[in-house]
Amino acid sequence: QKEVEQNSGPLSVPEGAIASLNCTYSDRVSQSFFWYRQYSGKSPELIMSIYSNGDKEDGRFTAQLNKASQYVSLLIRDSQPSDSATYLCAVKMYNQGGKLIFGQGTELSVKP
Amino acid sequence: DAGVIQSPRHEVTEMGQEVTLRCKPISGHNSLFWYRQTMMRGLELLIYFNNNVPIDDSGMPEDRFSAKMPNASFSTLKIQPSEPRDSAVYFCASSLPFAGGNTGELFFGEGSRLTVL
Repeated sequence: QKEVEQNSGPLSVPEGAIASLNCTYSDRVSQSFFWYRQYSGKSPELIMSIYSNGDKEDGRFTAQLNKASQYVSLLIRDSQPSDSATYLCAVKMYNQGGKLIFGQGTELSVKP
Repeated sequence: DAGVIQSPRHEVTEMGQEVTLRCKPISGHNSLFWYRQTMMRGLELLIYFNNNVPIDDSGMPEDRFSAKMPNASFSTLKIQPSEPRDSAVYFCASSLPFAGGNTGELFFGEGSRLTVL
């Protein structure tokens, strides 16, 4: 089992729809979870961080965390073509000295 | 404020040559990370430093790779000798410590795209 797993996609949604991106992780004691966005040819940039079970909302983005199921997700409401990018889930692995491990990323395409 | 600065942005070299990638972290950040990104393997952590000290180098693929951080404002990643399978984008990132309200967010440089022929 990979430490952080994501569906590679591509995930295609129409403009205005909700995009749902999912991530599972193996380290049960992890406490910190991050979603990064990476445009083609660019470096990753942080969108959201979440540390507690439940939902965290920031504008059109909502991160959801379920530690019992070792599952974290990102919802993008009212998707825009400018949201088309690869979304990387990252987990701080406390059983490995706290290093940040990234999933493979999910490619999102928002069609006008 | 200047972000993480990496050089060179692009490097094309021949197999067997030495490659040195450079990174200047954001001033005040005490953690520095080197990642490698390929289509096949995604974003892999190679090594990270806290306060200039290497903490975990378990991601360094083999002895051909070495990294140093001689001071708080500079780090190098060296590949000697280079091989075609080392072709990738190498990212340097820095962060504040995850404490005192800091999220531990990583700030990435623009990356160094390495092509080994």
